[in-house]
Amino acid sequence: QAGLTQPPSVSKGLRQTATLTCTGNSNNAGNQGAAWLQQHQGHPPKLLSYRNNNRPSGISERFSASRSGNTASLTITGLQPEDEADYYCSAWDSSLSAQVFGGGTKLTVL
Amino acid sequence: EVQLVESGGGLVQPGGSLRLSCAASGFTFSSYEMNWVRQAPGKGLEWVSYISSSGSTIYYADSVKGRFTISRDNAKNSLYLQMNSLRAEDTAVYYCARERADSPDYWGQGTLVTVSS
Repeated sequence: QAGLTQPPSVSKGLRQTATLTCTGNSNNAGNQGAAWLQQHQGHPPKLLSYRNNNRPSGISERFSASRSGNTASLTITGLQPEDEADYYCSAWDSSLSAQVFGGGTKLTVL
Repeated sequence: EVQLVESGGGLVQPGGSLRLSCAASGFTFSSYEMNWVRQAPGKGLEWVSYISSSGSTIYYADSVKGRFTISRDNAKNSLYLQMNSLRAEDTAVYYCARERADSPDYWGQGTLVTVSS
């Protein structure tokens, strides 16, 4: 099943802003956007943003999601060392009747 | 507190079978759709299967269709994944994940399945 496209890696400096992208089509990310998940090494994923760009309770306001056309984005402001992790986007694909994931972006905080 | 605890993983030979379980607590299990998602060592997340809150609607990834069966027992607050005809490429950590607003909002710690002779 076709997935979502994410850049493999992004590097930014401490306290800078990182914007991660996730490109799909009108059947998935272009429909209601994508969910965003953060995964630290050896741990399960953690939801940062629901598909409709809402943050779950307890998630820092430094994480914000948006969508433009078929591309969803996650913006992380004021980067901290603990933000260094893998980030995945996911969306339900209505034509495939399947949840699709991006390949993940490894964020490095310099 | 929402908790999802997977069990049933282990080492199995190619062609063998395993049944994974996911015990849910801290929420009304019968009201939520659930998913199985796997992650091969060093790789990204791969969706495996979905089941609606009542169990009446089920979907599978093409890679497991015909070999895996998802089910749930709402009386026992449990989700299951029966895996048959296992292949080396099924080796992964298997997570159960609750779904809310079309998004996987809570994940278990995962259970490792290793398919090897």
